[in-house]
Amino acid sequence: EDQVTQSPEALRLQEGESSSLNCSYTVSGLRGLFWYRQDPGKGPEFLFTLYSAGEEKEKERLKATLTKKESFLHITAPKPEDSATYLCAGLEAGYSTLTFGKGTMLLVSP
Amino acid sequence: DGGITQSPKYLFRKEGQNVTLSCEQNLNHDAMYWYRQDPGQGLRLIYYSQIVNDFQKGDIAEGYSVSREKKESFPLTVTSAQKNPTAFYLCASSQSSGRAGTGELFFGEGSRLTVL
Repeated sequence: EDQVTQSPEALRLQEGESSSLNCSYTVSGLRGLFWYRQDPGKGPEFLFTLYSAGEEKEKERLKATLTKKESFLHITAPKPEDSATYLCAGLEAGYSTLTFGKGTMLLVSP
Repeated sequence: DGGITQSPKYLFRKEGQNVTLSCEQNLNHDAMYWYRQDPGQGLRLIYYSQIVNDFQKGDIAEGYSVSREKKESFPLTVTSAQKNPTAFYLCASSQSSGRAGTGELFFGEGSRLTVL
């Protein structure tokens, strides 16, 4: 059973069309929820860390939020350069490695 | 510039051959990791090391081996025992302390292995 589940698997947006990506987790005792961006053929790049419910982090057109059961990555007025796969991962209490979701592939068309 | 260097970027192997993927970091990070990425599968942990001369198996360690003789280096050997080695391999490193623990990973550019 997946402990970190991302939806949708793929999302196509028009430039300027805001939307949200979802990351739900079932790990107990979450120490941190992490978001990464991955461009095709490249390694993932760290974006955000969220530690507790209610926390928000922002970077340019991206805002990550966290509740007790899920995290959202909100993309406001996206541009084609925001096209990438977005990965979320959970760090569970008592563990020292991340559990990754399968990612959401975002395509923003001009 | 500080970062992680993986080599080679592309590698072709014949069945039955062992291959070694290189990973070097100059970030002075304690922890290093190897992940495998297949289409639709996400990142799966192969091995990780939190300190020199020590490493632990991840979720899919069978058919792989590693060493950590230096803090900067964490090579991965894909052995002939790995039944389906064609994949994209990613090396990462992190600080092992702090509130984020080992969650803020710095990744290399990856090595794509194809078995012919």
